Amino acid sequence: EAQVTQNPRYLITVTGKKLTVTCSQNMNHEYMSWYRQDPGLGLRQIYYSMNVEVTDKGDVPEGYKVSRKEKRNFPLILESPSPNQTSLYFCASSPPPTGKTYNEQFFGPGTRLTVL
Amino acid sequence: AQSVTQLDSQVPVFEEAPVELRCNYSSSVSVYLFWYVQYPNQGLQLLLKYLSGSTLVKGINGFEAEFNKSQTSFHLRKPSVHISDTAEYFCAVIHFKAAGNKLTFGGGTRVLVKP
Repeated sequence: EAQVTQNPRYLITVTGKKLTVTCSQNMNHEYMSWYRQDPGLGLRQIYYSMNVEVTDKGDVPEGYKVSRKEKRNFPLILESPSPNQTSLYFCASSPPPTGKTYNEQFFGPGTRLTVL
Repeated sequence: AQSVTQLDSQVPVFEEAPVELRCNYSSSVSVYLFWYVQYPNQGLQLLLKYLSGSTLVKGINGFEAEFNKSQTSFHLRKPSVHISDTAEYFCAVIHFKAAGNKLTFGGGTRVLVKP
């Protein structure tokens, strides 16, 4: 089954304790992204990756890091989490845009993070 | 840059009544438009999309949306809702050359279907 998986699904942590949220896709997609969802703001892109070892900032990258060492995995790293990073996080993957057709993005199930 | 405004943050509606969720967007370039649904404690599911062609788009679960270029709107409708339609709905746009294939989302509309 084609899917995007995220782990953990729920996480409660304390300020300053480093954490990693994993994302994996089995569709051989080049593009992967991380979004965060906050009430009234919808989803906003944190970071994206166009392929292995190619990553760039989205709209809200402060306080986050990512890596793309393998095509299937795109972990999100919070080196020193703070309460304002309490949010619902989604990973997404897709083939690269071609300019003529749109390639649908597939979203993971989400990770609910609480930073105390 | 693009922006998306969903005019209603919450929409209560009775079962079997019609519902319309409003979405307006701002963009200096042509965009593709989408509606996603998020059921309680679940991820995002694509309801429908407009890429080109007919401005009336039909999606899953009886939903449809109409693209209006002059009004830069993409409102979502369903003629008769069910309890199971209780969810949050997100309108989104993308430009096909968007860096990082980034979707720009509206703030969401919570639909509560009452019996």
